[in-house]
Amino acid sequence: DTEVTQTPKHLVMGMTNKKSLKCEQHMGHRAMYWYKQKAKKPPELMFVYSYEKLSINESVPSRFSPECPNSSLLNLHLHALQPEDSALYLCASSQPPLNSGRHVDTQYFGPGTRLTVL
Amino acid sequence: KQEVTQIPAALSVPEGENLVLNCSFTDSAIYNLQWFRQDPGKGLTSLLLIQSSQREQTSGRLNASLDKSSGRSTLYIAASQPGDSATYLCAVGRRTYKYIFGTGTRLKVLA
Repeated sequence: DTEVTQTPKHLVMGMTNKKSLKCEQHMGHRAMYWYKQKAKKPPELMFVYSYEKLSINESVPSRFSPECPNSSLLNLHLHALQPEDSALYLCASSQPPLNSGRHVDTQYFGPGTRLTVL
Repeated sequence: KQEVTQIPAALSVPEGENLVLNCSFTDSAIYNLQWFRQDPGKGLTSLLLIQSSQREQTSGRLNASLDKSSGRSTLYIAASQPGDSATYLCAVGRRTYKYIFGTGTRLKVLA
């Protein structure tokens, strides 16, 4: 099973709402990622979790709050978003580097959540 | 700062043509390079991963090459089909967990 699932597929929220995006994988990967992608632009890395610990935060505003409750699940909690936060949010997973190496392995992406902030 | 550029930005070809997509990066200190395909409004599908010590990788009608010293990678698609129509993204692996994505090439294969 090389599938990464994301829910919901679409989300519309107001600027005062609180919502969460969910991501799940059962490939035994111990690295999970959140990316943001605007229309006709490449994905931009937001967060990386490695062994359920936050490894990278790319200076993302605090209105985005990631959470990794276990090795299979990754959440992104949203609060007080702005209209410019509307985008496709992609989750990915990979095997973390082996002890002897430090290179990124193949990343497997989910289908994304299309977020619209009104 | 690593910059990754893909040329052309868009490409339209008739079915059956062999074609080459280009990816350039400014810093040759990379760990690997990955090619992805993205259909409109969808997630990314990994096509090929080339480690920094490798020169090329092949999968079916796809062949990707890597020349670190010149900061270039190419994705060769043989005998293109309408189903190949998508956006193709290269991504450079700089260090643990970090990929820098290219600007993408939107490919349309006409039947």
